[in-house]
Amino acid sequence: KQEVTQIPAALSVPEGENLVLNCSFTDSAIYNLQWFRQDPGKGLTSLLLIQSSQREQTSGRLNASLDKSSGRSTLYIAASQPGDSATYLCAVRPSGGSNYKLTFGKGTLLTVNP
Amino acid sequence: ETGVTQTPRHLVMGMTNKKSLKCEQHLGHNAMYWYKQSAKKPLELMFVYSLEERVENNSVPSRFSPECPNSSHLFLHLHTLQPEDSALYLCASSPGLGRAAVGEQFFGPGTRLTVL
Repeated sequence: KQEVTQIPAALSVPEGENLVLNCSFTDSAIYNLQWFRQDPGKGLTSLLLIQSSQREQTSGRLNASLDKSSGRSTLYIAASQPGDSATYLCAVRPSGGSNYKLTFGKGTLLTVNP
Repeated sequence: ETGVTQTPRHLVMGMTNKKSLKCEQHLGHNAMYWYKQSAKKPLELMFVYSLEERVENNSVPSRFSPECPNSSHLFLHLHTLQPEDSALYLCASSPGLGRAAVGEQFFGPGTRLTVL
């Protein structure tokens, strides 16, 4: 059974700092990996999706990497801003079986202080 | 705006009440999902519908009853709930379920449910 772990569970940084969020998964047979952002009490917004054949994806100040063989992904946020404060969730899609089933981590709660 | 709407946004109900959650997607997708998000736990997939047919019932208690009258609308009917059912209920949609069609899942804002 796939398990997704996100470290750290919470992170507080001063504005302007570069930071890295970590995601690890136990089963490397994935189709893709997705990073989401969730604001308090709200739904999920997709940030980046990395296919299993890709190494990284970039969008603005965000860069996500994927090392499928080692079961790891990182989300790098450059020059953090208070508006980046949210919970960041990692989810993997399996490559076989019911591949619409996403397995989520518990998330990292990020606070960026002005 | 994600194109997936949910109503109500907040709901407080007693254990003997019957209520329904509604989800509507405006993206032309064929698959819709219900998730439960409890504090300190990962999102849990509850139900999946593809072209109005249920394809997944992830061991969800019968006090939760889904309904998908068409590919744009999804309901979750609630009755005789327990306090531990209090959670954020999220709806999502995707283009389809087949490997090439599944695409990204787009999420609604959720319904915050409190069971007293």
